[in-house]
Amino acid sequence: EAEVAQSPRYKITEKSQAVAFWCDPISGHATLYWYRQILGQGPELLVQFQDESVVDDSQLPKDRFSAERLKGVDSTLKIQPAELGDSAMYLCASSSRGELFFGEGSRLTVL
Amino acid sequence: AQSVAQPEDQVNVAEGNPLTVKCTYSVSGNPYLFWYVQYPNRGLQFLLKYITGDNLVKGSYGFEAEFNKSQTSFHLKKPSALVSDSALYFCAVRDPVRDGGYNKLIFGAGTRLAVHP
Repeated sequence: EAEVAQSPRYKITEKSQAVAFWCDPISGHATLYWYRQILGQGPELLVQFQDESVVDDSQLPKDRFSAERLKGVDSTLKIQPAELGDSAMYLCASSSRGELFFGEGSRLTVL
Repeated sequence: AQSVAQPEDQVNVAEGNPLTVKCTYSVSGNPYLFWYVQYPNRGLQFLLKYITGDNLVKGSYGFEAEFNKSQTSFHLKKPSALVSDSALYFCAVRDPVRDGGYNKLIFGAGTRLAVHP
C-alpha cells in the first residue's frame, strides 16, 4: 500500500539552528499539506500545495519557516532559526478524492 | 469561520461497552466531516467520512458516525470497545464552498479514548 514518506522521524536541535523536514507524497497526489501538531492539540495547517503552487500559507510563520515543492512531487519544510516554541510534530499529508493520507510525522525537539 | 469542537479531552470506557466520542462543527455551508485516529508517535489514520447521503456512515475497525445537521454534530461511535481502540481521535471538517476546491481540513483538538480491560 502506498504511503506518505517523511524524514527524519525525530530531530533534536538547539535554538537558533536550522532544521529541515522532507516529505514524499503518495504518487499521483497533486495536493500536499504540512501540518504542525503541538503536544495535546490538533493538527494546524501550515501550508498547502497544489502541484508546485502554494494555495494556502496563511498560518505559516514566514519570518522563519519556508516550504517548497519545486517539481510538484516531494516537499521540504525548513525552519531557520528554530525557537523553543517550534517543538512539535510536523505532519505531511497528501490527498486524493477528498481523503487525506498522513505520513508518520517528524517530531522536533528544540533545546 | 470554520471550526470543530471536541468537548471531551478524554473518554473512559470499559472493554465491551459502547463508546461515543463527541464532535460538533461550525461551517457556513454543507460540511464534509471526517474522523481520524492517532496512535502514539504516529501519523493520523483515516477512519471514516461523511460527504452526503445516509446520515450514518460506517468506517474502519467497526467505527461508525452519525451526522446530525440540526445539532451540527458528527459523533463517533462503536458498539463494543476494545482495549486496542485506546488512542487519540480527531474530528475534522471541510467547507467545500469556502475552500475553493482545495480540500482544506480543519481539525479539532482531539479526544483521548482510554478503554480499560
